[in-house]
Amino acid sequence: EIVLTQSPATLSLSPGERATLSCRASQSVSSSLAWYQQKAGQAPRLLIYDASTRATGIPARFSGSGSGTDFTLTISSLEPEDFAVYYCQQRSNWPPTWTFGQGTKVEIK
Amino acid sequence: QVQLVQSGAEVKKPGASVKVSCKASGYIFTTYDINWVRQATGQGLEWMGWMNPNSGNTGYGQKFQGRVTFTRNTSISTAYMELSSLRSEDTAVYYCARRITIFGVGFDPWGQGTLVTVSS
Repeated sequence: EIVLTQSPATLSLSPGERATLSCRASQSVSSSLAWYQQKAGQAPRLLIYDASTRATGIPARFSGSGSGTDFTLTISSLEPEDFAVYYCQQRSNWPPTWTFGQGTKVEIK
Repeated sequence: QVQLVQSGAEVKKPGASVKVSCKASGYIFTTYDINWVRQATGQGLEWMGWMNPNSGNTGYGQKFQGRVTFTRNTSISTAYMELSSLRSEDTAVYYCARRITIFGVGFDPWGQGTLVTVSS
């Protein structure tokens, strides 16, 4: 089973700063990775799919990169509404299974 | 617009079963896999399994094998998740989520979530 490890667990930043979130897979997942944002009391919101494609309606300040085992979600300049928990997710081809990372909380410094 | 609407909150006793529904609209229901994900209070996201609404084929996470069943009714574009032998650790919000494209890696949209509380 592939394990996703996200770091850091908590990121304390100010609005306008750049956020860099990491997701590392225990073995290669190619480009089979997605990123989500979740706010309290809400369902997760897809930000990035297939490692680097922004989902519909997602602002350009969100970008995803990486392949193989190391992936990054970058928020170029934090807006007040970006403070939330972020999860990465991977899909294994066989057997078809999906796994989430444990999450990174981006909090206001 | 594309959306998934889930059934309402449930309270169950230990040992009972729960069945949550997920009604799809705004797209052809049989085109994309439906997945189920749960989240206990203050915890992360836990994938439970997937279902192909066209074929009815399913795949379950190892932790849930033998205790969860996914079904669907294509005539009303609705998917179902049934979890049996409930225990207190199953208290969580349960989400259905559609695979973004046929082969894409990501889930979008998500249902609003259904809180299942297991308590004696």
